[in-house]
Amino acid sequence: GAVVSQHPSWVICKSGTSVKIECRSLDFQATTMFWYRQFPKQSLMLMATSNEGSKATYEQGVEKDKFLINHASLTLSTLTVTSAHPEDSSFYICSASPRDLQETQYFGPGTRLLVL
Amino acid sequence: AQSVTQLGSHVSVSEGALVLLRCNYSSSVPPYLFWYVQYPNQGLQLLLKYTTGATLVKGINGFEAEFKKSETSFHLTKPSAHMSDAAEYFCAVRFGGYTSGTYKYIFGTGTRLKVLA
Repeated sequence: GAVVSQHPSWVICKSGTSVKIECRSLDFQATTMFWYRQFPKQSLMLMATSNEGSKATYEQGVEKDKFLINHASLTLSTLTVTSAHPEDSSFYICSASPRDLQETQYFGPGTRLLVL
Repeated sequence: AQSVTQLGSHVSVSEGALVLLRCNYSSSVPPYLFWYVQYPNQGLQLLLKYTTGATLVKGINGFEAEFKKSETSFHLTKPSAHMSDAAEYFCAVRFGGYTSGTYKYIFGTGTRLKVLA
């Protein structure tokens, strides 16, 4: 089956530093990748949609300069949390939709970010 | 506005009993519908989906869901609950177009299923 990986799975950083999270589709080409944020015991909130080769589309209320998304290739998207602060601590989940099965998204295992 | 509503943030059933998790959506056109399961500290796993065709959809682990257009619902059921079914379940709807970059997913708030021995 389709596999999406995320790295790292856990990250702890100091306030003011930047953190990069990678999302890879391991066995398929993903034309579209999505980034979600999930607060404890809450649903997933879509942050942005990225299509390979074009700029990400951010949801209302999500700061694009704060959360930099790069969809560099058909198998890799990165989310960089710039100048992280404690309120950025959360569970970040990516998903990817294959080129030939765009009605489906496969989820990564998530990255837990803790900003001290 | 497009929205997804899951009634009941917590549902408890006895092992072997029927599982029913509710999902309603608002949309002017039939969307694509999904159910996902999430175990603690993990990503989401697709249980089943409806895109077109037969309105009763069967998924993994014995789950199924029925798309009812007139009720704008996509409730998830399983005839007999198992202890391993205890998890968080999310209903999701894809709104928008059919080409890359023209659609997005909206998730319900989730239902935590507890299975009692």
